[in-house]
Amino acid sequence: DTGVSQDPRHKITKRGQNVTFRCDPISEHNRLYWYRQTLGQGPEFLTYFQNEAQLEKSRLLSDRFSAERPKGSFSTLEIQRTEQGDSAMYLCASSLASGYNEQFFGPGTRLTVL
Amino acid sequence: GQQLNQSPQSMFIQEGEDVSMNCTSSSIFNTWLWYKQDPGEGPVLLIALYKAGELTSNGRLTAQFGITRKDSFLNISASIPSDVGIYFCAALIYNQGGKLIFGQGTELSVKP
Repeated sequence: DTGVSQDPRHKITKRGQNVTFRCDPISEHNRLYWYRQTLGQGPEFLTYFQNEAQLEKSRLLSDRFSAERPKGSFSTLEIQRTEQGDSAMYLCASSLASGYNEQFFGPGTRLTVL
Repeated sequence: GQQLNQSPQSMFIQEGEDVSMNCTSSSIFNTWLWYKQDPGEGPVLLIALYKAGELTSNGRLTAQFGITRKDSFLNISASIPSDVGIYFCAALIYNQGGKLIFGQGTELSVKP
């Protein structure tokens, strides 16, 4: 399978714990995006990388959130001191930086904070 | 901020019927995309539109990029049960790094 993959698919954690999610983009894609989706809403942009550089962060991304893409391939999204309001589906997408940069999404990581 | 208004919010139709949904905004966009999302899964890209006025088909799906660049619609012809899901429009501005703005979604239910 050469699509976008995410791990884990589901994560249940207690409030105050730290969690980390991983995204592996389509191999030739140099752009990687993170979105958050809550129930009944469309995905909302969090941040994106071009290669290893993080180029934009949404104001939705509080100081408790950090994302990395150290070698320009896979990316991690860490949430520190989780809160119940962090419960959501976290989606990763990838695209090419040039030409028609259609974004292809992974299956998502469903986070539940108890 | 930029917003996409997607309608209708939900649709209940009989198998075989045609479906139409649309997305409007007060902002101009360079690209419109339509995605379908099944429960517990990520959005799957259906159609991408790059030019104002462009009409593109993908099987039973047809989508158009509005001439004003502020709207788009998606039609599904002869619906079947597997069309059930949530359809999202999304718009992209190149000079904002290609991030997508999504509509609120249209939930489609198809009765066999």
